[in-house]
Amino acid sequence: GDSVTQKQGQVTLSEDDFLFINCTYSTTTYPTLLWYVQYLGQGPQLLLKVTTANNKGISRGFEATYDKGTTSFHLQKASVQESDSAVYFCALAPRNNYAQGLTFGLGTRVSVFP
Amino acid sequence: EAAVTQSPRNKVTVTGGNVTLSCRQTNSHNYMYWYRQDTGHGLRLIHYSYGAGNLQIGDVPDGYKATRTTQEDFFLLLELASPSQTSLYFCASRDRDWDTEVFFGKGTRLTVV
Repeated sequence: GDSVTQKQGQVTLSEDDFLFINCTYSTTTYPTLLWYVQYLGQGPQLLLKVTTANNKGISRGFEATYDKGTTSFHLQKASVQESDSAVYFCALAPRNNYAQGLTFGLGTRVSVFP
Repeated sequence: EAAVTQSPRNKVTVTGGNVTLSCRQTNSHNYMYWYRQDTGHGLRLIHYSYGAGNLQIGDVPDGYKATRTTQEDFFLLLELASPSQTSLYFCASRDRDWDTEVFFGKGTRLTVV
């Protein structure tokens, strides 16, 4: 079945640091790849998505490139702020069984200190 | 933006108790989902539905029932709650096309003592 791997459980940074969160996926389909962000006390919300291989998604200073060759969809941001503290989930949406919704990675908790 | 409302936001029950978690979405989305979120496990799909009267089994369905009474309303039922079901539960909805966004509610924190 489909799976998404995020190896980093927690990342601690200072403001203006570079953020990189690793995400790899496994699927037999041609999926849409997504990043969701969950702020404290809230449900996950879409940060960005990419539907086509080799394309890049950009939102609020975050970016991720759909790399079909390495089956990766890493998230990065050049300069984080304290307000970026949240849990970030990489997710996959299969096109052949889209009714079932998303397969999520375990999430990466990002803490940014001033 | 789609609105997904969950109630209650917090619930404490005893082992063996009966619990119903409610979810309503106001955008006439076809698909609705119940997930649980646990540290070390991320978000796991319990049940989902295509529409009123439809129910599909997700990845972790044991101990849970669900019912979709209308296009808007999706309920999760724990008939004999156990401590292992202590978790943060999220309802989500999505429109019918394959590429549409999944919208989440704010969650219900359930504690089984």
